[in-house]
Amino acid sequence: GAGVSQSPSNKVTEKGKDVELRCDPISGHTALYWYRQSLGQGLEFLIYFQGNSAPDKSGLPSDRFSAERTGGSVSTLTIQRTQQEDSAVYLCASSLRVGQPGGYTFGSGTRLTVV
Amino acid sequence: QKEVEQNSGPLSVPEGAIASLNCTYSDRGSQSFFWYRQYSGKSPELIMSIYSNGDKEDGRFTAQLNKASQYVSLLIRDSQPSDSATYLCAGSGGTSYGKLTFGQGTILTVHP
Repeated sequence: GAGVSQSPSNKVTEKGKDVELRCDPISGHTALYWYRQSLGQGLEFLIYFQGNSAPDKSGLPSDRFSAERTGGSVSTLTIQRTQQEDSAVYLCASSLRVGQPGGYTFGSGTRLTVV
Repeated sequence: QKEVEQNSGPLSVPEGAIASLNCTYSDRGSQSFFWYRQYSGKSPELIMSIYSNGDKEDGRFTAQLNKASQYVSLLIRDSQPSDSATYLCAGSGGTSYGKLTFGQGTILTVHP
């Protein structure tokens, strides 16, 4: 696609429910990243995927968070048993490859609200 | 200590002035640095990247990198109200290889 596509754009869920957030990167981009941004804060790294290599999960805040990337393209971030502190904007980005100069292209994000 | 820190702001400058945004980083292995602009409610967009010591100019924007001092800055000349946004500094490399580590952002307001 022309850009990084994320869905849904907004998600309101009840505490304790599971949610799935989707990211469709730019075609041909082998690296895909997930960040989250809480209100008024900078971006917090969660996880990245590079091709068929094992993902770097070092930023996942707890075992309630997981992500997968199928076929080297679309990625899904899953949050189990959501808590109110999970409320944030979840941003996905992609780049041609990890370590590519020039930074990332971000999607428009999913705003998650846990009530 | 955060890996990337930005001057706290918010920063307010009059239209036409120079806005100076500053960032320091703790990981000496960091090699690449980026400035992103984020309008309220929008996703970040890349405006400048810099990889070597010195200045890099692009239109009204100048990025400066000093690896010895572990310091990155962004100057915006002839600031316009449309420059009002949050500016995010990010670094990559070293312990952050493969990912960008972001500062907390500086809110810039350019008033007419």
